[in-house]
Amino acid sequence: NAGVTQTPKFRVLKTGQSMTLLCAQDMNHEYMYWYRQDPGMGLRLIHYSVGEGTTAKGEVPDGYNVSRLKKQNFLLGLESAAPSQTSVYFCASSQREVSYEQYFGPGTRLTVT
Amino acid sequence: SQQGEEDPQALSIQEGENATMNCSYKTSINNLQWYRQNSGRGLVHLILIRSNEREKHSGRLRVTLDTSKKSSSLLITASRAADTASYFCATDAQGGSEKLVFGKGTKLTVNP
Repeated sequence: NAGVTQTPKFRVLKTGQSMTLLCAQDMNHEYMYWYRQDPGMGLRLIHYSVGEGTTAKGEVPDGYNVSRLKKQNFLLGLESAAPSQTSVYFCASSQREVSYEQYFGPGTRLTVT
Repeated sequence: SQQGEEDPQALSIQEGENATMNCSYKTSINNLQWYRQNSGRGLVHLILIRSNEREKHSGRLRVTLDTSKKSSSLLITASRAADTASYFCATDAQGGSEKLVFGKGTKLTVNP
């Protein structure tokens, strides 16, 4: 099993450009999450999904949109990138609710200039 | 806002020594988890302790939970250079089981 995969691994965007980050998991997990990690800030939850077709806002949702059209995929979109969105983005999944461990992808390093 | 706060922010020890990291949180929880992150990698789950448990072991890891003080500690015994990583605690909140809140982490360096 590949676990949780993320594409791309690195990306540089100019301010105002858009992009989509793809997360895929092959563990048949119900819950999926998008986090951002900034120096000294730990992980902050952007959006999450408790099942196919559902999404919910996390701690820092502004400037991002998500979709979960298929159970195994969770997409994170930036419609108009800003320098403040420069960060490392992690996707995670879990079997069910948070009494189960989360499995993390390797991360996407995004730089917005 | 962060629910859990790790202490210390950074810790440097020699191989073979024990490393202790602490986590304090603010609201009642159902469970608390510890994760490790090697440089440039995603987080890896280490151990989960439920609110009705006081201590849990996994290999060289020992986790304690004191719900009256809203704190947890992670002890790594006989540390190795490969234990060099950042360690995060993560908590849910009682009544809300859909998401975890992570602390800012403790950066552990084990010198050979």
